Amino acid sequence: GAGVSQSPSNKVTEKGKDVELRCDPISGHTALYWYRQRLGQGLEFLIYFQGNSAPDKSGLPSDRFSAERTGESVSTLTIQRTQQEDSAVYLCASSYQAGGEQFFGPGTRLTVL
Amino acid sequence: GQQLNQSPQSMFIQEGEDVSMNCTSSSIFNTWLWYKQDPGEGPVLLIALYKAGELTSNGRLTAQFGTTRKDSFLNISASIPSDVGIYFCAGQGNTGTASKLTFGTGTRLQVML
Repeated sequence: GAGVSQSPSNKVTEKGKDVELRCDPISGHTALYWYRQRLGQGLEFLIYFQGNSAPDKSGLPSDRFSAERTGESVSTLTIQRTQQEDSAVYLCASSYQAGGEQFFGPGTRLTVL
Repeated sequence: GQQLNQSPQSMFIQEGEDVSMNCTSSSIFNTWLWYKQDPGEGPVLLIALYKAGELTSNGRLTAQFGTTRKDSFLNISASIPSDVGIYFCAGQGNTGTASKLTFGTGTRLQVML
C-alpha cells in the first residue's frame, strides 16, 4: 500500500506481559516517529528515527519502552511488563526527510487488562 | 509530555456556520500545523504554517501563525457534515529534535444538520 501501515490494529494483553507493535513506513521515507495517544488526549511524542538510528528518545516514558528500526524500513516498538497505564493508541508516522510532512498510520490500540 | 493548550475542547455547530479554534503554547515554535483525525484513523495534515504572522488558506480552511510564534488559530467557513472530527494543532522545531511534533489537546467538532 501507499501509506503507513501498523500491526496489529488492536492488541489486548494482560498486565505484566510484553508486547511488540510494528510500523511499516512509506517506502523511501528516512524519518520515522512513534507517538502515543491516550483516550481523549492529543498525541505525545515517544521516539524519532533517522535511518536506523534514534537521535531523540526523550519521549519514552520508562525503560520498559524500547524501539528499533532495521533496514531503514520497519520499526518495532516494544513494551515490557505492560501496565494498565500503558493502554493507549500507539501511532507511527514517517516523513521523506527530517522536518518534512509526517504521514500517520492508523495506529495500534493497546488495552492492558 | 508537553501538550499545547487548545480551545474550545468541543463544539456543536449548525451546518453552514463558521468555526474558530485556537492553540497557545508557553514556548516558541518554528512551524505550526493543523491536523484532523477521524475515528480509528491517524491524523491528516490540513495546513502548515512556516512564518510568524503568516495567514494561509486551504479551501474553506484558514489558519494563522501568531506573531509571537506561541499561538495559532484555525477557521473553518461554511461547515459541512464531513467536517466532523477532532482537530489538533501541533508545533514543530523549538528545542531538541527539530522534527518531533508537540500536539494540542484537540477540539472535537460536531455538526448538526
